Amino acid sequence: DTEVTQTPKHLVMGMTNKKSLKCEQHMGHRAMYWYKQKAKKPPELMFVYSYEKLSINESVPSRFSPECPNSSLLNLHLHALQPEDSALYLCASSPRDIPYSNQPQHFGDGTRLSIL
Amino acid sequence: SQQGEEDPQALSIQEGENATMNCSYKTSINNLQWYRQNSGRGLVHLILIRSNEREKHSGRLRVTLDTSKKSSSLLITASRAADTASYFCATVLAGGTSYGKLTFGQGTILTVHP
Repeated sequence: DTEVTQTPKHLVMGMTNKKSLKCEQHMGHRAMYWYKQKAKKPPELMFVYSYEKLSINESVPSRFSPECPNSSLLNLHLHALQPEDSALYLCASSPRDIPYSNQPQHFGDGTRLSIL
Repeated sequence: SQQGEEDPQALSIQEGENATMNCSYKTSINNLQWYRQNSGRGLVHLILIRSNEREKHSGRLRVTLDTSKKSSSLLITASRAADTASYFCATVLAGGTSYGKLTFGQGTILTVHP
């Protein structure tokens, strides 16, 4: 079992739907990340939250809207997605201690998203 | 451009043999990390090596880092069928504002036959 929990595990949605992905960790980590991973490819960073504030947005289209309501929870709101957005969406967290770069990231098992 | 490149892309070995994967990168790094991903699962952190370190061990894993050649290798000794997975190197660039941003290599698919 992973310490980062992602729900749902699978999601199928139409291009006009609105849905949300949820990520939760109770390790007291203060940095949380969203990645997108296409089949047989490495994960690509989308967003980074540090102390509940958006710190990095890797030029992600606005149809993806992240939210960090508290230090344990990270959401990714989806609206008007395209078929090419079908992928595995991974959430990760890290302690964000100084120096924050020298910390491993803990990943959830992801949400497999299919856009019809 | 992609920071990390790995080779081989795929590696097939017998149980008990050693597996070596290589990773190259392009710019100065703070540290380099290796992750494993089993099919349909998330990534699991294996080992982190800092830019001022040359070698690290963890159980059956040995990682080397050569900053002059901008390359790293991961050695898995006495492999087991359970080691079958994709292995990714990931770099954290040097500098103070990266927020631990990981840039992944393309990965090596390791298959260990019983």
